[in-house]
Amino acid sequence: DAGVIQSPRHEVTEMGQEVTLRCKPISGHNSLFWYRQTMMRGLELLIYFNNNVPIDDSGMPEDRFSAKMPNASFSTLKIQPSEPRDSAVYFCASSLWIGSTSGNTIYFGEGSWLTVV
Amino acid sequence: GENVEQHPSTLSVQEGDSAVIKCTYSDSASNYFPWYKQELGKRPQLIIDIRSNVGEKKDQRIAVTLNKTAKHFSLHITETQPEDSAVYFCAVSGGGADGLTFGKGTHLIIQP
Repeated sequence: DAGVIQSPRHEVTEMGQEVTLRCKPISGHNSLFWYRQTMMRGLELLIYFNNNVPIDDSGMPEDRFSAKMPNASFSTLKIQPSEPRDSAVYFCASSLWIGSTSGNTIYFGEGSWLTVV
Repeated sequence: GENVEQHPSTLSVQEGDSAVIKCTYSDSASNYFPWYKQELGKRPQLIIDIRSNVGEKKDQRIAVTLNKTAKHFSLHITETQPEDSAVYFCAVSGGGADGLTFGKGTHLIIQP
């Protein structure tokens, strides 16, 4: 399996520009997560989807951030307009939830390294 | 929401010695406790996990213990090697399809 695939791996953009990060989850997985990692705040859950439906977006920092999952094999995280404080590594992760209550193993992509100047 | 505290933030041990990292959590309903290892510039990777119906789990040099009453769990690495140097994160989940809440991480340094 190719694992979780993210693009772009690195992006440098100017403040005010729109940024779109892309993710392809592991085939067959039905849950998808977007995390942000910074030195100050660590790994933060931004939003997650189950069966393509957004379940909890309480971690999305503000209205400039939006996420979509139009089908089971693709998701985007968009920042518009971008600001320097959005500079971080954005990880997409996926898992297969089989309906049990015992938790599910989450696999991370390689991350998208975003720098806003 | 869930709150996860992880200690220490930095741990330096001599090669061959043991390392122990501890985490506490706040939500007594949490029932899944994985540990991730992240090398510099890489993604977090699962190294071991434990569920609430088990008190201890071991995989070669790595073990995790869970005390649900006290709401804490620990990662134990024995016979440490240079390749164990990394940042280790504990995480907690309430089960179901929800995401993980992570601790702030422990930078483990293995001294030769």
